[in-house]
Amino acid sequence: GNSVTQMEGPVTLSEEAFLTINCTYTATGYPSLFWYVQYPGEGLQLLLKATKADDKGSNKGFEATYRKETTSFHLEKGSVQVSDSAVYFCALSGYNAGGTSYGKLTFGQGTILTVHP
Amino acid sequence: NAGVTQTPKFQVLKTGQSMTLQCAQDMNHEYMSWYRQDPGMGLRLIHYSVGAGITDQGEVPNGYNVSRSTTEDFPLRLLSAAPSQTSVYFCASSAGTGTYNEQFFGPGTRLTVL
Repeated sequence: GNSVTQMEGPVTLSEEAFLTINCTYTATGYPSLFWYVQYPGEGLQLLLKATKADDKGSNKGFEATYRKETTSFHLEKGSVQVSDSAVYFCALSGYNAGGTSYGKLTFGQGTILTVHP
Repeated sequence: NAGVTQTPKFQVLKTGQSMTLQCAQDMNHEYMSWYRQDPGMGLRLIHYSVGAGITDQGEVPNGYNVSRSTTEDFPLRLLSAAPSQTSVYFCASSAGTGTYNEQFFGPGTRLTVL
């Protein structure tokens, strides 16, 4: 079946530090990959996505590249801000054994990021 | 557009009680789903629907029931609440079932079962 593994957290950084959150996946076929962010007390928001190998998703200074050879989709940001403090989820939308998708998301366990001034 | 709305925001139940979590979307999305979020486990799919009158089970469906009589609404029913159902519940919708479709999430319902 499909699965997503994220690096264990929590992650604590100082403002302007470089951020990497690792994400690897196992999937049937060619899934789409997503990063969602959850700010305190809120629902999940799409941060970025990539739908095919070598695609780079980017938004708000965050980037992630769909690497099929390493089955990875690591999230990076060159200079984090206090306002980036949140929980980050890596997710995939793939196919079941029968080849259908139905748009279901499979999530990693989430990584808590705290950025200090 | 209000997007995806959920009610209530918080709920406390006693073991054995039943309740319905409400979810509505105003984006005319065909696909809707329910997830539960537990610490260290990410979000897990409970039930989903690909259109009015069509529902199916996700990863953790036991103890939950759904129906989809309209495109807009997708309520989640807890038949007999158990402490293991203490969780945060999120409803989501998307325009289609393709793997590339973004899913839009509601603000969540925090449920505690005593």
